[in-house]
Amino acid sequence: EVQLVESGGGLVQPGGSLRLSCSATGFTFSSFAMHWVRQAPGKRLEYVSGIKSSGGVTYYADSVKGRFTISRDNSKNTLYLQMSSLRAEDTAVYYCTFSYCSSASCNWKTVFDIWGQGTMVTVSA
Amino acid sequence: QSVLTQPPSVSAAPGQKVTISCSGSSSNIGSNSVSWYQQLPGTAPKLLIYDNDKRPSGIPGRFSASQSGTSATLGITGLQTGDEADYYCGTWDNSLSAALFGGGTKLTVL
Repeated sequence: EVQLVESGGGLVQPGGSLRLSCSATGFTFSSFAMHWVRQAPGKRLEYVSGIKSSGGVTYYADSVKGRFTISRDNSKNTLYLQMSSLRAEDTAVYYCTFSYCSSASCNWKTVFDIWGQGTMVTVSA
Repeated sequence: QSVLTQPPSVSAAPGQKVTISCSGSSSNIGSNSVSWYQQLPGTAPKLLIYDNDKRPSGIPGRFSASQSGTSATLGITGLQTGDEADYYCGTWDNSLSAALFGGGTKLTVL
């Protein structure tokens, strides 16, 4: 079974740092681009960051650029999100997600069909 | 950060049909395919539609979608109380080099 399990969330003070992990099982992790998407309480989905399969190309939302770093360890089947200079507005459930769809028309940039359960990050004094 | 524009809410009676619009621009919907997601309370989003109008296996034919120019539309027929959820459109934005989601539409089945 294809599965993503996030961990590492918690309470952190403004200006602090936190590293999220996403453990992947049931598929060849090294073959797929991966992404982080977040959702503040009662708010919309917001794209955070993405990384291509080799790890050599990354993408960031303007709201996190320069503060968050996405990375992956293909030997450990794990995706990471290093978050620093955290702000109250970063408070959200953070999901890892990717396109596992096998159809030729499934675009890794626009199709997110596998999601983890999410991990909550709360930034508060 | 720009977002795709969706109506905040829609409603209809059981058995009826509803449509949800998603408006973007040439750098996102006008250039890339659109996906639609259903999010039930307290759960992760679920892919409903990909590549503008295709349904993943397991998604009923009651869900359909289309894309034209810089806009996209999700349609749901034969509404059921279990369809009450938040619905999001999503795509990639070439100018931002990042994915975008709509503001979300809350569907109420009266």
